[in-house]
Amino acid sequence: DTAVSQTPKYLVTQMGNDKSIKCEQNLGHDTMYWYKQDSKKFLKIMFSYNNKELIINETVPNRFSPKSPDKAHLNLHINSLELGDSAVYFCASSHVAGSSYNEQFFGPGTRLTVL
Amino acid sequence: QKEVEQNSGPLSVPEGAIASLNCTYSDRGSQSFFWYRQYSGKSPELIMFIYSNGDKEDGRFTAQLNKASQYVSLLIRDSQPSDSATYLCAVSNTGGFKTIFGAGTRLFVKA
Repeated sequence: DTAVSQTPKYLVTQMGNDKSIKCEQNLGHDTMYWYKQDSKKFLKIMFSYNNKELIINETVPNRFSPKSPDKAHLNLHINSLELGDSAVYFCASSHVAGSSYNEQFFGPGTRLTVL
Repeated sequence: QKEVEQNSGPLSVPEGAIASLNCTYSDRGSQSFFWYRQYSGKSPELIMFIYSNGDKEDGRFTAQLNKASQYVSLLIRDSQPSDSATYLCAVSNTGGFKTIFGAGTRLFVKA
């Protein structure tokens, strides 16, 4: 009964390729997020979605395009991959953003390596 | 100035001691404050949240918040080797759609 799942767990690809990461949550949450964690373990927010609507886009290059087909899914497509995109990407969800308490539940992460 | 600052450590404490982790933040409008634990190769998991000034205790963990000083801390009593992990301080704005994480403090508890 995985709460937040991501696929794939590992992704190794060449520079210039296009790839996608999928995320699903079965918690009934309204809000989903994408984070990037670099080699120094710094966890940085990329996008927030609430009920399929984009709320936060943290100056992420437009090579990154999130898509939320429904409240339970938030996918991340990356075009023209660059070496600097190598990182662990975490998907997360929370129950009710807009309230003071918004504990986030994280997926297992996708380790992306760009060669 | 970083939005959320933590001492990267590593912080090393003996088993049974108190571990004290600190965090400062820059946005005075921040509403909610969280401590997440992240084991190596794993995803972050919430251990404490606080949004009122003062102390909040949960088992061996105590979170402390001082909004005037823009300071959050986490105390771990009776530290165990299983507490060895990176502890991430996180701060949310009003609305909670944007959470800023600190770079984390690595904690080692020596048996």
